[in-house]
Amino acid sequence: DTAVSQTPKYLVTQMGNDKSIKCEQNLGHDTMYWYKQDSKKFLKIMFSYNNKELIINETVPNRFSPKSPDKAHLNLHINSLELGDSAVYFCASSRAGRNTEAFFGQGTRLTVV
Amino acid sequence: LAKTTQPISMDSYEGQEVNITCSHNNIATNDYITWYQQFPSQGPRFIIQGYKTKVTNEVASLFIPADRKSSTLSLPRVSLSDTAVYYCLVGAQGNNAGNMLTFGGGTRLMVKP
Repeated sequence: DTAVSQTPKYLVTQMGNDKSIKCEQNLGHDTMYWYKQDSKKFLKIMFSYNNKELIINETVPNRFSPKSPDKAHLNLHINSLELGDSAVYFCASSRAGRNTEAFFGQGTRLTVV
Repeated sequence: LAKTTQPISMDSYEGQEVNITCSHNNIATNDYITWYQQFPSQGPRFIIQGYKTKVTNEVASLFIPADRKSSTLSLPRVSLSDTAVYYCLVGAQGNNAGNMLTFGGGTRLMVKP
């Protein structure tokens, strides 16, 4: 069983469109994250969501919004896609508390044309 | 969160021990040090975590001096499959605000035959 799964794995879309990336974890974790990895391979934290508390990286445009229907899911919605949004997006999850490790999904490669 | 500095890249040969050092001069008292490994087209994977002195698991060892301003990830007898990017993270983890795992630039390790 895949611990953290994302769909789709690849997403090609046109500028201005709205798209969503789904993430599910079956580890029973309390906290889920979204990361963006750009072409230079820098991993940037976008959101952290724990017990209905959302922590937002202030540099993330408000076109990006996470939605959590339940504890096992944290989906990423992106409105009005721009060329600069092209990147690989990773979902991750971890238990709350110290000495916890984060488990990452395989990533979603988003290409905006 | 404490900023980390790592070498951008390192080369090694199969069978050698590889040591990757990370500087984190402004580490806080309650910060842990965590290392992740990322292969191309995959999400990062937890390797090891420590607070002080030495931690060893089946994959690696982590050496942390008394002042905790740096740490060294040691990979014994590397193989070609250890070619990856290695990230050092420093920060507190918990179910409070601030549970944001922040990655630095990472060290790209190339293992040659």
